[in-house]
Amino acid sequence: QVQLQQSGPGLVRPSQTLSLTCAISGDSVSNTSVGWNWIRQSPSGGLEWLGRTTYGSKWYHNYAESVKSRLTINPDTSKNRFSLLLNSVVPEDTAVYFCARDVGGYYYFDSWGQGSLVAVSS
Amino acid sequence: SYEVTQPLSVSVALGQTASIICGGNNIAIKNVHWYQQKPGLAPVLVIYRRTYRPAGIPERFSGSNSGNTATLTINGAQAGDEADYYCQVWDINTGAVFGGGTTLTVL
Repeated sequence: QVQLQQSGPGLVRPSQTLSLTCAISGDSVSNTSVGWNWIRQSPSGGLEWLGRTTYGSKWYHNYAESVKSRLTINPDTSKNRFSLLLNSVVPEDTAVYFCARDVGGYYYFDSWGQGSLVAVSS
Repeated sequence: SYEVTQPLSVSVALGQTASIICGGNNIAIKNVHWYQQKPGLAPVLVIYRRTYRPAGIPERFSGSNSGNTATLTINGAQAGDEADYYCQVWDINTGAVFGGGTTLTVL
């Protein structure tokens, strides 16, 4: 059974970088059949997909247009985890952030992290 | 970019059938997935690839697609089914696209 455990600070200052990590157990970040995603949920409630990384002879990344210029998702094979780095944050980046695994080819999210509330505030 | 729309809220009497719709252009050809989310928790997959139920999801949850509408149906709604429900598709240009979510109230 796949488990995803998130960690990272709950408060980030405006213009700084938001950093979260998702540790994987029960699967491998290098599994070529799945993708590893970050999704956020704003205080208003909607879910917003941010980006994905997957391995297939090399690492592939997809990012949502809304954050593409500010977002990096890094896999870490040595620790079997992946991370989110969102730079130049603004208060509108305040949200609950989730990591999630998708089943490659069909792109549904069958395993989720517990969620991390991150506030952007001075 | 592809968009999907959901009603803000749906109400159903205890034990009756609830239908939650997800609208999108020619959504019938897409793989639609559905999630249930209760307050303070991560979403849980309840239907994937239009009609499949993950292990542990009750049989009263079912999904269908036709034309411009996908539907999540809950037969014999229980009090514990009260939650927000989200539909989701994958678009090759946009990535994962979620509906705005529907709050289900069981009366």
